[in-house]
Amino acid sequence: SQQGEEDPQALSIQEGENATMNCSYKTSINNLQWYRQNSGRGLVHLILIRSNEREKHSGRLRVTLDTSKKSSSLLITASRAADTASYFCAQQGGSEKLVFGKGTKLTVNP
Amino acid sequence: DAGVTQSPTHLIKTRGQQVTLRCSPKSGHDTVSWYQQALGQGPQFIFQYYEEEERQRGNFPDRFSGHQFPNYSSELNVNALLLGDSALYLCASSLDRPYSGNTIYFGEGSWLTVV
Repeated sequence: SQQGEEDPQALSIQEGENATMNCSYKTSINNLQWYRQNSGRGLVHLILIRSNEREKHSGRLRVTLDTSKKSSSLLITASRAADTASYFCAQQGGSEKLVFGKGTKLTVNP
Repeated sequence: DAGVTQSPTHLIKTRGQQVTLRCSPKSGHDTVSWYQQALGQGPQFIFQYYEEEERQRGNFPDRFSGHQFPNYSSELNVNALLLGDSALYLCASSLDRPYSGNTIYFGEGSWLTVV
């Protein structure tokens, strides 16, 4: 069974708008990693945020982590049609495996 | 620098058959993990190999087995295929640095359809 949950399950926005996706988890983590997956393709690594970090940026991406609430969020600013994909957060605890949720399906309309 | 490469990209098998999927990790990486992703779901951890040994295993039956070679490449074998084994199989590689937070890279996956 999967321990994390992304919210919302689906999100549709217009180009230029910001997209925010949330992720909740249940157990303690060492780090949390966000991935993008285009339809039927592999996972592309976006950002890794460690448990002692609160915020990280990479280009148009901003990830926050609140370990007290066991939650994280991914913000994509000034979205583009090419950002259309599914986005997953994956928790990594004391072991090496990643635990994924079901993802958020983002559609950016031109 | 080649990333994680997997083969084949697509394959169709019949129930009861056996399948072998292959993975070459990203250059410099020594740890390989396999994940199964059913349609509409997130990936689920199958097992991880390090130093040619299975280090950790998820909740998958013994029909799923693997191997890691001295050059760090890996194979996933599934015996006695069931219709429910139809999924995207993803290989992931990383550098073994426990507890420090190592970025894990994924390949494009192998689509398996069992008919």
